[in-house]
Amino acid sequence: DGGITQSPKYLFRKEGQNVTLSCEQNLNHDAMYWYRQDPGQGLRLIYYSQIVNDFQKGDIAEGYSVSREKKESFPLTVTSAQKNPTAFYLCASRTGEWTGELFFGEGSRLTVL
Amino acid sequence: SQKIEQNSEALNIQEGKTATLTCNYTNYSPAYLQWYRQDPGRGPVFLLLIRENEKEKRKERLKVTFDTTLKQSLFHITASQPADSATYLCAIGSSNTGKLIFGQGTTLQVKP
Repeated sequence: DGGITQSPKYLFRKEGQNVTLSCEQNLNHDAMYWYRQDPGQGLRLIYYSQIVNDFQKGDIAEGYSVSREKKESFPLTVTSAQKNPTAFYLCASRTGEWTGELFFGEGSRLTVL
Repeated sequence: SQKIEQNSEALNIQEGKTATLTCNYTNYSPAYLQWYRQDPGRGPVFLLLIRENEKEKRKERLKVTFDTTLKQSLFHITASQPADSATYLCAIGSSNTGKLIFGQGTTLQVKP
């Protein structure tokens, strides 16, 4: 089945550690996105990529980094510079059509101990 | 500053009634607007798209309107069912970037 796979589903990290969240899609979509969701809040855009080897900062990129070396993959690294990293992270993809819908993964819940 | 606002308080309605959710935006000129449904602990799922030159779209029991003068979209669920209970998110997009910006969502609770 085609879709988006995020891993791990749950992740715990100690303060000061970097952590990488995986996002893979087999939908052959050009664009991929990372959002962060805090309890009772909407989705905030971290980074997005419309094509391989290119990506743009979203509204809350500080403390995060991404790469887009393959069309299928868009990993997100939460660095120690992110002051409040505990959140629910959602990856999404969509076709190149500019009004296209986003297809979301099941999310990764990161907890900093 | 740019802002997207949805009803912050949960909406509680009786089964069979029509639910109406609001999405207001300021300092945006969106080319289109989308609505998503999100269940607890899950990723959002796309429901409807409406473009800036469209006034209304329908899909089964769902209807969305888009008023660019009022800078508002309304999302209606007719003949609501308990299974419609979820959080509903609006998202707006522009024609010159790939960004899609979300509101904070409104939680709908349909009681039997």
